[in-house]
Amino acid sequence: TQLLEQSPQFLSIQEGENLTVYCNSSSVFSSLQWYRQEPGEGPVLLVTVVTGGEVKKLKRLTFQFGDARKDSSLHITAAQPGDTGLYLCAGANGGYQKVTFGIGTKLQVIP
Amino acid sequence: GAVVSQHPSWVICKSGTSVKIECRSLDFQATTMFWYRQFPKQSLMLMATSNEGSKATYEQGVEKDKFLINHASLTLSTLTVTSAHPEDSSFYICSAGRQTGANVLTFGAGSRLTVL
Repeated sequence: TQLLEQSPQFLSIQEGENLTVYCNSSSVFSSLQWYRQEPGEGPVLLVTVVTGGEVKKLKRLTFQFGDARKDSSLHITAAQPGDTGLYLCAGANGGYQKVTFGIGTKLQVIP
Repeated sequence: GAVVSQHPSWVICKSGTSVKIECRSLDFQATTMFWYRQFPKQSLMLMATSNEGSKATYEQGVEKDKFLINHASLTLSTLTVTSAHPEDSSFYICSAGRQTGANVLTFGAGSRLTVL
């Protein structure tokens, strides 16, 4: 069973601060995805990283895939209240087959 | 963009009854759909992989006779929770993979089941 550990599980910060969320595994994944989930809704894909060492930017969000494709990080610059939500990393091997989710990081950005 | 619709969004039922949840891919065909369960403050746990035209593949620990999955067409999968009990109360989410493109899953908005 491939496990993904996320840290921290809870994070409460002031608007304007920076933060980093980590996703780690002992297993290698062919790709890793980051999702954001609002309460009572399904996860929404933010980004997919597939190449070891890959860095992708989505406005104030920076995603990095580890060189060994076992870990990833999400960095948010100057967090806004609209960034509040549950951030999930998910790893997959091959196609869109079974995806393993991390436990998630619940982020609260206080105005 | 790809859209996956779930229905109903929320349902309340009495213990012992059965509830059906639908998952539809609205603008693409999905030979494979996935059903997840999410308990409060927890992550998504894969329950089963729904394969169009064949039997679903269940994850370890998931009772196939209790959680009936039918994937009769390329755009519809259904999950039926049979003889529901309060412990089955949860947020059920489906996802569908597009046939083209690598590793792209689109998730439904989820269905909140409360069993009284």
